[in-house]
Amino acid sequence: GAVVSQHPSWVICKSGTSVKIECRSLDFQATTMFWYRQFPKQSLMLMATSNEGSKATYEQGVEKDKFLINHASLTLSTLTVTSAHPEDSSFYICSARGDRALEQYFGPGTRLTVT
Amino acid sequence: AQKVTQAQTEISVVEKEDVTLDCVYETRDTTYYLFWYKQPPSGELVFLIRRNSFDEQNEISGRYSWNFQKSTSSFNFTITASQVVDSAVYFCALSLYSSASKIIFGSGTRLSIRP
Repeated sequence: GAVVSQHPSWVICKSGTSVKIECRSLDFQATTMFWYRQFPKQSLMLMATSNEGSKATYEQGVEKDKFLINHASLTLSTLTVTSAHPEDSSFYICSARGDRALEQYFGPGTRLTVT
Repeated sequence: AQKVTQAQTEISVVEKEDVTLDCVYETRDTTYYLFWYKQPPSGELVFLIRRNSFDEQNEISGRYSWNFQKSTSSFNFTITASQVVDSAVYFCALSLYSSASKIIFGSGTRLSIRP
């Protein structure tokens, strides 16, 4: 199957700083990428959907100015958590879908801890 | 509104027992997809199966089997002769054809297989 990578796999940052998480499709072109957040022992919640070259569509309740998403190429999407706070500590997972494909391929996730 | 319910929060069985994970979904759309994912302690989601709404045939893959019943809006997952390596959180999920592949996850069932 197709491979999606995320970098970094884990990150610790101080409160007030910004953190960028990368999501890459390694062997296919991802026209659409999705970002999910998962709090401990909870389910995955969709944060936003991004299509290459256009602005991301955020789910209700997700602050677009805090969670900046860029999908500048067909193989890379980035999520930047701006002015991170401890409550932003979570497991962030991306997924990618190719054009006309039904399958979404998930990345391994990035564990963010804000101290 | 779309919703996926996994009523079993945690299940613990002894190795070699059979175990069924329940999943009930809600949608008014007629074209949709149902999924099961496994999330081991590492956090990476493992795709298990996708079933579209027009295919009610049950499926068996090794020790895994799935029972899709539109009449009860259920998509249950059975593991036969469970093994310790099956211990993980299992998510049932729903995606509507009309909503650009957004996946709605259930709350997950934590399965523990005791040796």
